[in-house]
Amino acid sequence: QSVLTQPPSVSGAPGQRVTISCTGSSSNIGAGYDVHWYQQLPGTAPKLLIYGNSNRPSGVPDRFSGSKSGTSASLAITGLQAEDEADYYCQSYDSSLSGSDVFGTGTKVTVL
Amino acid sequence: EVQLVQSGAEVKKPGESLKISCKGSGYSFTSYWIGWVRQMPGKGLEWMGIIYPGDSDTRYSPSFQGQVTISADKSISTAYLQWSSLKASDTAMYYCAKRSGTYYAFDIWGQGTMVTVSS
Repeated sequence: QSVLTQPPSVSGAPGQRVTISCTGSSSNIGAGYDVHWYQQLPGTAPKLLIYGNSNRPSGVPDRFSGSKSGTSASLAITGLQAEDEADYYCQSYDSSLSGSDVFGTGTKVTVL
Repeated sequence: EVQLVQSGAEVKKPGESLKISCKGSGYSFTSYWIGWVRQMPGKGLEWMGIIYPGDSDTRYSPSFQGQVTISADKSISTAYLQWSSLKASDTAMYYCAKRSGTYYAFDIWGQGTMVTVSS
């Protein structure tokens, strides 16, 4: 079981804004470790969406944004599009796991 | 182009051994950590472990320590994930991924290797 908790699903109509939370603890996000976000389209490998809490790799639309506060992080998608329908995962380092990272539980985004 | 190419799908029986591979190209293979990620059917991503090919420094998630072995052959820019005795519960898609140099995110992913363990 993951130590980073995400809502199982979120949904929104095209053009709307949705947010996905990633709740951790004092041994991971709350300790100041970076949070990264990945998008996994059906049947494909994950793709890096946000790194270092709020940075977008080249080619990722600015509709995607990340933030972090305290023991939680969030991914926001503004101007939701049909192609954004996918699974999203957060990732961070956890000092209680012997030098290893952990992924969040994952969130399915549905475009209504 | 930076890419990771993984070996093909495998079908094995319980108790058999297996070693799958991940070949890097387009970058300095010895300078970046390579990680392995499990995704069981219909489930989420699980961080298994990472290796630094430059000196073979390896870290495992406590959940996978002792269950798998991660290794690398820097002479052929290839990382490996191996099992000595497979179980049905090892059935999953396995991804390798390159860790970025600054923020330690997985910036490049392999296409995945499906491992099916069934009697």
